[in-house]
Amino acid sequence: KAGVTQTPRYLIKTRGQQVTLSCSPISGHRSVSWYQQTPGQGLQFLFEYFSETQRNKGNFPGRFSGRQFSNSRSEMNVSTLELGDSALYLCASSPLAGRGSGELFFGEGSRLTVL
Amino acid sequence: TQLLEQSPQFLSIQEGENLTVYCNSSSVFSSLQWYRQEPGEGPVLLVTVVTGGEVKKLKRLTFQFGDARKDSSLHITAAQPGDTGLYLCAVSNSNSGYALNFGKGTSLLVTP
Repeated sequence: KAGVTQTPRYLIKTRGQQVTLSCSPISGHRSVSWYQQTPGQGLQFLFEYFSETQRNKGNFPGRFSGRQFSNSRSEMNVSTLELGDSALYLCASSPLAGRGSGELFFGEGSRLTVL
Repeated sequence: TQLLEQSPQFLSIQEGENLTVYCNSSSVFSSLQWYRQEPGEGPVLLVTVVTGGEVKKLKRLTFQFGDARKDSSLHITAAQPGDTGLYLCAVSNSNSGYALNFGKGTSLLVTP
């Protein structure tokens, strides 16, 4: 069974640009969530989608947005990039519709560097 | 303010040693998860604890959930180089869906 696939794995952008990251969940998983990981702040929750609806949102500015398609694939977008947006962006999927005591399956992440 | 405080932040030990890492909070949780993240990879779930005082064993790893469900510990017996990684505890931040709040982790290095 294929795992969570994230593309691209690495990318470099300059300040002010925008970026779109893609995530394909494990087949059959309908919940997709996104996390930002930095050395200083650790893993921080961005948002979660279930059946194309944003179900939960973390404390990030509006420059961070996402969406989920009918096939459960998800994208996140960061506009007007800042140096502090440099991070590993992790996508995770889950087969369950309920509370977060189930297992999250993470992808390998997309490492974004903003110059 | 960090909801989950993990200690120690870094730990470097030799193969065969025992170690314990901690995850503490002032809040009560219905469940708590431990993940391990190896370099270049995403976190992988190790265990979920749900009952106060619960102890779960996974080979050489022993997980305990505090009686008051505010804290947890992970004990590794006879550590091996393959145990090297970042150990993260996490709790759900939502009554529905998946919005996990992670601690900053304990970075463990086990040398031969």
